[in-house]
Amino acid sequence: DPKIIQKPKYLVAVTGSEKILICEQYLGHNAMYWYRQSAKKPLEFMFSYSYQKLMDNQTASSRFQPQSSKKNHLDLQITALKPDDSATYFCASSQSPGTQNTEVFFGKGTRLTVV
Amino acid sequence: QQQVRQSPQSLTVWEGETAILNCSYEDSTFNYFPWYQQFPGEGPALLISISSVSDKKEDGRFTIFFNKREKKLSLHITDSQPGDSATYFCAASPNNAGAKLTFGGGTRLTVRP
Repeated sequence: DPKIIQKPKYLVAVTGSEKILICEQYLGHNAMYWYRQSAKKPLEFMFSYSYQKLMDNQTASSRFQPQSSKKNHLDLQITALKPDDSATYFCASSQSPGTQNTEVFFGKGTRLTVV
Repeated sequence: QQQVRQSPQSLTVWEGETAILNCSYEDSTFNYFPWYQQFPGEGPALLISISSVSDKKEDGRFTIFFNKREKKLSLHITDSQPGDSATYFCAASPNNAGAKLTFGGGTRLTVRP
């Protein structure tokens, strides 16, 4: 059973539109993250949330907005989509942020294509 | 500037051989180094990790060798199996950054039967 559920698995969007990527984790973790993987760049850290509060934001664009409605949810809203946003977006989680050698678990990803 | 570098980009070995994957880093504050294995269509999965206080970590057929002075690591996969064919990512994080990981570009390993 997947413990980190990401929806949808594949997503095609039109340039300029808005989409929400869904993530739920059932590992009982307190911290959740978003990472992005594209053909041009290695896996990149985007955001970290701890106890539903933003801890770190490495995304320059305000078009990317995480939304945490529950402790085990961290959705990612992307507005004004551009073709360069095409990538696979991974949600991840860990037990306790700030703990040394914290193990991070990843979901299967949402593959976003912007046309 | 890429903080974590991996080489080679791709590697092919025969079944039973030892695959050696290399990783180097720039940031001296990095002290935790997990290696992730990723199959096509899947998310990265933690394979093995090491902290900077150790110079070697072994788990079955997987061993990490760590050289802090040179800021280099290597992952050795002994008795390679076709099922080990995947992309392997070296990652790094500093002690006080929680789980914020900086990833290398990956090494795509193919094990031929």
